[in-house]
Amino acid sequence: ETGVTQSPTHLIKTRGQQVTLRCSSQSGHNTVSWYQQALGQGPQFIFQYYREEENGRGNFPPRFSGLQFPNYSSELNVNALELDDSALYLCASSLAVSPYEQYFGPGTRLTVT
Amino acid sequence: RKEVEQDPGPFNVPEGATVAFNCTYSNSASQSFFWYRQDCRKEPKLLMSVYSSGNEDGRFTAQLNRASQYISLLIRDSKLSDSATYLCVVSVNNNDMRFGAGTRLTVKP
Repeated sequence: ETGVTQSPTHLIKTRGQQVTLRCSSQSGHNTVSWYQQALGQGPQFIFQYYREEENGRGNFPPRFSGLQFPNYSSELNVNALELDDSALYLCASSLAVSPYEQYFGPGTRLTVT
Repeated sequence: RKEVEQDPGPFNVPEGATVAFNCTYSNSASQSFFWYRQDCRKEPKLLMSVYSSGNEDGRFTAQLNRASQYISLLIRDSKLSDSATYLCVVSVNNNDMRFGAGTRLTVKP
């Protein structure tokens, strides 16, 4: 186990709704990255948070937003859900000094109907 | 063209076989390279980093060819427990890691 936890495990939402996913990073890790993994695909980078600020973003629209808290935990918010948002959402924590050694949580599986 | 491309497989090999995966990337400014492993319905886990000089970790050898923009992973003496999807990862900077779609490996008794 990596020590990274995510909640909820599974979620079903309706198109147009909003969702908030949560991530607790591994102890001591100050950087959190979020990824979207569609079935049969590799994870796609959404954004990264470091010291409570967004520190890079992938090709995702503004309706994907996030937060990082002083304890380094993080939230991913998605507004106006679309059917294509159905995926596994993974968060990964790391240390800023070794950003590539990322430890992933088990993910939240989101289904949009 | 995808930024990171991998042969999706599946690769079905017997125990003890040697298997190799290749991965190509399109961004010549890429600086860092990795292989991750993802078991079915589990999260990805870092397998190894890939260095310019090539590197080895037990039965696993990773190589990088910057001129041709490809990365390889060689697994010797395959074990049943090696069955997984292997993800090639490329990064230009510290905060944006690009994953390939993965290559599925099944090692059979």
